[in-house]
This record gives sequence, C-alpha cells and structure tokens, in this order.
Amino acid sequence: AQSVTQPDIHITVSEGASLELRCNYSYGATPYLFWYVQSPGQGLQLLLKYFSGDTLVQGIKGFEAEFKRSQSSFNLRKPSVHWSDAAEYFCAGLNNAGNMLTFGGGTRLMVKP
Amino acid sequence: GAVVSQHPSWVICKSGTSVKIECRSLDFQATTMFWYRQFPKQSLMLMATSNEGSKATYEQGVEKDKFLINHASLTLSTLTVTSAHPEDSSFYICSAKDHEQFFGPGTRLTVL
Repeated sequence: AQSVTQPDIHITVSEGASLELRCNYSYGATPYLFWYVQSPGQGLQLLLKYFSGDTLVQGIKGFEAEFKRSQSSFNLRKPSVHWSDAAEYFCAGLNNAGNMLTFGGGTRLMVKP
Repeated sequence: GAVVSQHPSWVICKSGTSVKIECRSLDFQATTMFWYRQFPKQSLMLMATSNEGSKATYEQGVEKDKFLINHASLTLSTLTVTSAHPEDSSFYICSAKDHEQFFGPGTRLTVL
C-alpha cells in the first residue's frame, strides 16, 4: 500500500539552528511528494513539491527537500530556523492515479529562543 | 497560486443540528474536490472525493448518510454534517484540484 511516514512527532530546535524533518515513503513507482506547513487553526500551505528531475527541491521560506530513492526518503531541511517556523509540518504523497494525497502523521516543530 | 475558500471558518452548534460547510475555488474551476478531517494534533484523513455532477466517493469508515457532499458546480462543493454530535467536532479541510491540490483554510466545527 502507498504510504507516507514521518518518524518524528515532535522536534524542538533553537532559533538559528539547522533543521531536518524526516519523511519516508512507500510507493511502487516514482512518487510525487509534497511538504506542507500548517499553523495552529489554519489550513495547509504548500512549501515545496517533487515530481521528477533534480532531486534537490527548493521551496518557499528558505526550505528545501531532497528526494533519495535509495532511502525512500524526502526530508525537509532549513539551514537556519526562525521562531515563525514553529508549526506542524506534513509530508504527503500522491497516488499513481494522481487523484489522492496521503499524508504522513505530521511533525510538530517548536523553536526555542 | 490558486485560492480556495471555506465558509464558515468556525461554527458552534447544538447536538442534533445539521451544519453545512462550503468550499469554493475562487479563481479556477475544479472538477474534483476533496474533504478531509483533522482531529487535534493529528494528521489529515481523507473523508471523500467529490466530482462535479456525480456522487461523492467516500473512504472506508465514513458514513455517507451522515456526511452529505454536494458538488453542484465547478467552483463549489458543500459538506453537510447531519445531526451533528460532539464526536463530530473536528477541523474540516477541503481542497480543490486544478493541476494540483489547493487547500482551503479549514472549518472548525464544535458540537456542544
């Protein structure tokens, strides 16, 4: 079955420190993968997506993600975290038919001053 | 990017009331819209896929008679929670599909 897993439920980092949020996928073919951010009580905002091509994808707000087929991973990174990055982050994968997104469990990021 | 709106953003109702939530694609036509449910501190779970002019496809475990979905036009889908109970309290998020999915801001339903 196609699935997306985020191993870390909570992560706390200090402001200015680097960040990596993990995402693992299980799809038969090359998946379409996404990272979304959700602030409390808000909807989802797309940070970046991977369809094909360059495995290092640049997104908004200084985020990037790297698709690694050998590790079935699509980890999200940011070199220097800001307090405003505190939010819930979701990794998602698109099914083969291209009509359904499956979400990981989410990772809650907290930023220490 | 494309904009999807939801109305209302927050609704509080008494148990037994039916509540309608609207999802609109503001600047594009969406043949397919999706309804998700999100419990506190949990991920989004797909409830149903709605195609314009046809019956919605519900995910396993979602009661179609309780969560009525209507997709009457290419820019509007509605979710009606019938006879709502406290356990239906949740955050409901819709998305509309153009070449990719665009998410609405969500509707918080609180059933007293």
